[in-house]
Amino acid sequence: DVKVTQSSRYLVKRTGEKVFLECVQDMDHENMFWYRQDPGLGLRLIYFSYDVKMKEKGDIPEGYSVSREKKERFSLILESASTNQTSMYLCASRQGDYGYTFGSGTRLTVV
Amino acid sequence: DAKTTQPTSMDCAEGRAANLPCNHSTISGNEYVYWYRQIHSQGPQYIIHGLKNNETNEMASLIITEDRKSSTLILPHATLRDTAVYYCIVRAGGSQGNLIFGKGTKLSVKP
Repeated sequence: DVKVTQSSRYLVKRTGEKVFLECVQDMDHENMFWYRQDPGLGLRLIYFSYDVKMKEKGDIPEGYSVSREKKERFSLILESASTNQTSMYLCASRQGDYGYTFGSGTRLTVV
Repeated sequence: DAKTTQPTSMDCAEGRAANLPCNHSTISGNEYVYWYRQIHSQGPQYIIHGLKNNETNEMASLIITEDRKSSTLILPHATLRDTAVYYCIVRAGGSQGNLIFGKGTKLSVKP
């Protein structure tokens, strides 16, 4: 089975800190995605990547950047964390038309 | 906006079949119907997808109407562990684009 692993399950950071969320998949998938999930708003796409060093903005990219230096790893970066970035962050990968595989999520709290 | 309509919530007795409906009246010819579920505090899990024909796997069956404007996900023998939010999503095959999650149906399986 494809595995998508997110480095942290829970994270607490201070306002203004630079935050890195790491995601690794083990099945050589080309496409990787970062979502955030908030109550009442559902899952919203932040960024996605369909190849190494390629990235595309999703619906809510402001305040975030991403890095994909290797095929298996897709990092989400909060340049200067703010309290409105407190959320559940979900990474996913996909190959072709098969279903997405999601990680377990990182619950980030910015204080 | 999501291109699907689902009931907000449903109940099902343990051991009975759970039938979750989804309307996608504006679906295009090249769009697949995907179903995911999300158990509390976990990432979404892929269940099944289909284009025109009915599909079955070890988790569920997907029935798509002949005009493709609606579909039903069937969990043949629901268990307490099937309690989750179920998302019905349409997405074009071969596209680089992302999944757009709506609000889904909260299925509660009761003993």
